[in-house]
Amino acid sequence: EPEVTQTPSHQVTQMGQEVILHCVPISNHLYFYWYRQILGQKVEFLVSFYNNEISEKSEIFDDQFSVERPDGSNFTLKIRSTKLEDSAMYFCASSFRDAYSSYNEQFFGPGTRLTVL
Amino acid sequence: TQLLEQSPQFLSIQEGENLTVYCNSSSVFSSLQWYRQEPGEGPVLLVTVVTGGEVKKLKRLTFQFGDARKDSSLHITAAQPGDTGLYLCAGVRSGNTPLVFGKGTRLSVIA
Repeated sequence: EPEVTQTPSHQVTQMGQEVILHCVPISNHLYFYWYRQILGQKVEFLVSFYNNEISEKSEIFDDQFSVERPDGSNFTLKIRSTKLEDSAMYFCASSFRDAYSSYNEQFFGPGTRLTVL
Repeated sequence: TQLLEQSPQFLSIQEGENLTVYCNSSSVFSSLQWYRQEPGEGPVLLVTVVTGGEVKKLKRLTFQFGDARKDSSLHITAAQPGDTGLYLCAGVRSGNTPLVFGKGTRLSVIA
């Protein structure tokens, strides 16, 4: 069964360093998302991406964050200068919705645990 | 800001008991999804409900979407230790807008 994959599973970095989190969405999906979950808190939306551009972003997704789909399969989240408060689980999700679909089911990857020291 | 409130936050029951968890909001959602999340892993989609009043069954799990599409419930019959986990509800306002998650109900089923 197709699934969303994410690498690395765990990333440890020093404050101020850049990190890139990698995701491979399900192959025929058209919409891509990044969410994060700080330990013990609820899952929060960061950004959605469709047709090679950002379609929506939250207040969390400031200038330190960027997303890219460098080829036909990968979807990346870059944090330019990490802060302590960026420590969280980051989840990639994808969905397929065409003109005939009445709803949008999002499928999540296993996550990348980012630890900023 | 649309909020989804889940209750109870924690639930510990004996194997074989029935339980219901709730997901409530003051806002209308075009669809609502239930996920289960294990520690250190991503949410796994269980079901999507779309129509007001809709009921869906997944083995011993029964999901219902409220008539007004503002709330939902998950009922588990004869709970088993394998049902232990964090159950999340997440709503979609419309189209491909992002999911709004509740904080979840952490269920523990004791053998």
